[in-house]
Amino acid sequence: DGGITQSPKYLFRKEGQNVTLSCEQNLNHDAMYWYRQDPGQGLRLIYYSQIVNDFQKGDIAEGYSVSREKKESFPLTVTSAQKNPTAFYLCASSIGYRDMGRTEAFFGQGTRLTVV
Amino acid sequence: GEDVEQSLFLSVREGDSSVINCTYTDSSSTYLYWYKQEPGAGLQLLTYIFSNMDMKQDQRLTVLLNKKDKHLSLRIADTQTGDSAIYFCAESNVGNQGGKLIFGQGTELSVKP
Repeated sequence: DGGITQSPKYLFRKEGQNVTLSCEQNLNHDAMYWYRQDPGQGLRLIYYSQIVNDFQKGDIAEGYSVSREKKESFPLTVTSAQKNPTAFYLCASSIGYRDMGRTEAFFGQGTRLTVV
Repeated sequence: GEDVEQSLFLSVREGDSSVINCTYTDSSSTYLYWYKQEPGAGLQLLTYIFSNMDMKQDQRLTVLLNKKDKHLSLRIADTQTGDSAIYFCAESNVGNQGGKLIFGQGTELSVKP
């Protein structure tokens, strides 16, 4: 089945640690995105990538880093510089960045990150 | 700048109609969307409407767009308990900024039996 998979579903991080969230898609989509969801705030764009080996900052990139070495994979690292990392993180993909508004964006099931 | 606003909560009785409202500020929005999010899950596209349309109907879902007032609504007929979820309005402008989706805060729909 084609789709987009995020892992793990739940993640706990100690203060000062970096953690990496996985996102894999087998939809052959060029564009991939990371969103952060907080209660009552909607989804905010962290980073996006239009093509392999290229990515751009979204609205709230500080304290996060990404890589796009393969078309299928777009991992997100939450660094210790992120002051309030506890949130629900959603990965998405679409045919292309400029097509995201025209075609369906597919979302993963999310990773809930909690700082302990 | 771009902004999308929704009320946070809506409660209805099973069998009634639900109307979820959304306002947006970007007059050049090209596409407007409704996404559904069930607890602990990702988002699923429910329906969308092009900005040159006034209405779109898809089974129990009716989308109304008032472009003059920048107001979008989603009506769910015969609401069922399985419709309980968070509903997100989103808009995109496929002009200079490409297709980035801008989301509202989400409306949590609670359906009581």
